[in-house]
Amino acid sequence: LAKTTQPISMDSYEGQEVNITCSHNNIATNDYITWYQQFPSQGPRFIIQGYKTKVTNEVASLFIPADRKSSTLSLPRVSLSDTAVYYCLVGGHQAGTALIFGKGTTLSVSS
Amino acid sequence: DAGVIQSPRHEVTEMGQEVTLRCKPISGHNSLFWYRQTMMRGLELLIYFNNNVPIDDSGMPEDRFSAKMPNASFSTLKIQPSEPRDSAVYFCASSGQGALTEAFFGQGTRLTVV
Repeated sequence: LAKTTQPISMDSYEGQEVNITCSHNNIATNDYITWYQQFPSQGPRFIIQGYKTKVTNEVASLFIPADRKSSTLSLPRVSLSDTAVYYCLVGGHQAGTALIFGKGTTLSVSS
Repeated sequence: DAGVIQSPRHEVTEMGQEVTLRCKPISGHNSLFWYRQTMMRGLELLIYFNNNVPIDDSGMPEDRFSAKMPNASFSTLKIQPSEPRDSAVYFCASSGQGALTEAFFGQGTRLTVV
């Protein structure tokens, strides 16, 4: 599994756009990039997944450059309720693949 | 579907006692994962199953921990004997065919060993 590196913490204010970058230099050809969000006292929740270029859903956007060695999760106009830990995972879609979480990025949004 | 269901939500036990955590995955999901989360160590993968078969248990901390999945709708994580350092939140998650499709987590079991 490709190792991922992301900032330990980030601070933001309500209404701002937040970009969290994840480095995965050893990503394999068949690996996908997935982001999860975890609120205190809850299990992680899937946010978004992509393979290349840009993916957007109702929650976030995921930007992946051509070399795929990094990815950026973009949260538009954050609110206090976006305060959480965000995890970047890299791996394949083969059945039986492990789902391994790193330390994640703790995002703190204040008013 | 009610999602991944874990029981109990909270468990307080004395050191040396046996503890059994239970998980009911989402119907139709093929993969099941057990995690332990603490402030110090983060979210650790303990063991995972695919089609009820354990694939990798290298994350299980020691022989005191064991996990079973007797059928597609039920899994247990047992700690015997329990120790104070086992205190943590234990999560179960399940996903459909092909891992890294969306995984769904249960609410977790907060275990306190005194």
